[in-house]
Amino acid sequence: QLVLTQSPSASASLGASVKLTCTLSSGHSTYAIAWHQQQPEKGPRYLMKVKSDGSHSKGDGIPDRFSGSSSGAERYLTISSLQSEDEADYYCQTWGTGIPHVFGTGTKVTVL
Amino acid sequence: QLLLQESGPGLVKPSETLSLTCTVSGGSISSRSDYWDWIRQPPGKGLEWIGNIYYSGSTSYNPSLKSRVTISADTSKNQFSLKLNSVTAADTAVYYCARSYDELDYWGQGTLVTVSS
Repeated sequence: QLVLTQSPSASASLGASVKLTCTLSSGHSTYAIAWHQQQPEKGPRYLMKVKSDGSHSKGDGIPDRFSGSSSGAERYLTISSLQSEDEADYYCQTWGTGIPHVFGTGTKVTVL
Repeated sequence: QLLLQESGPGLVKPSETLSLTCTVSGGSISSRSDYWDWIRQPPGKGLEWIGNIYYSGSTSYNPSLKSRVTISADTSKNQFSLKLNSVTAADTAVYYCARSYDELDYWGQGTLVTVSS
């Protein structure tokens, strides 16, 4: 079964960096994932796709301080130079042939 | 710029059918490369994929909802729709429409649907 695991929370100071992790379940370590940001009281916003080789492609207008990477079954989202508007929930999402879209449970990022 | 906008009743009675429409602008739902999706989010909870429709009319549904869901498209209006029947309070959620090819890359702003008598 395809499952994505995320830590429930993360925090970092204004101007610092934070790295979020999304872990693919056993047998699915080659899957690409997408990261989505959901600010309070707003709908999700697509950030980027991250492939198993670590390459990533970002959505329209996503700032350079958002980047993606991979290691094994883990996919990462790094936010550099944290700003107050980065305080949000971050969801990872994956897909496969014959497999419905699957979401992680989300990580709440707090900017200190 | 692709824009998606959900519309429909904000209140549905238990056991009735929830019906929503997504209007797409800045792109065509007849595009051969795209799927058109519905996702929901109960208050305070995470995201759940409901299903999608391809330009050909083929559909795919979340197995947990499959028996109650129908997604259809009206290419003349550039719209696609969601029907969820026999709703209960557990179906209260913000409903989003979105586009996907692989990942979901464009989202609507969402619409809250409350199931209550």
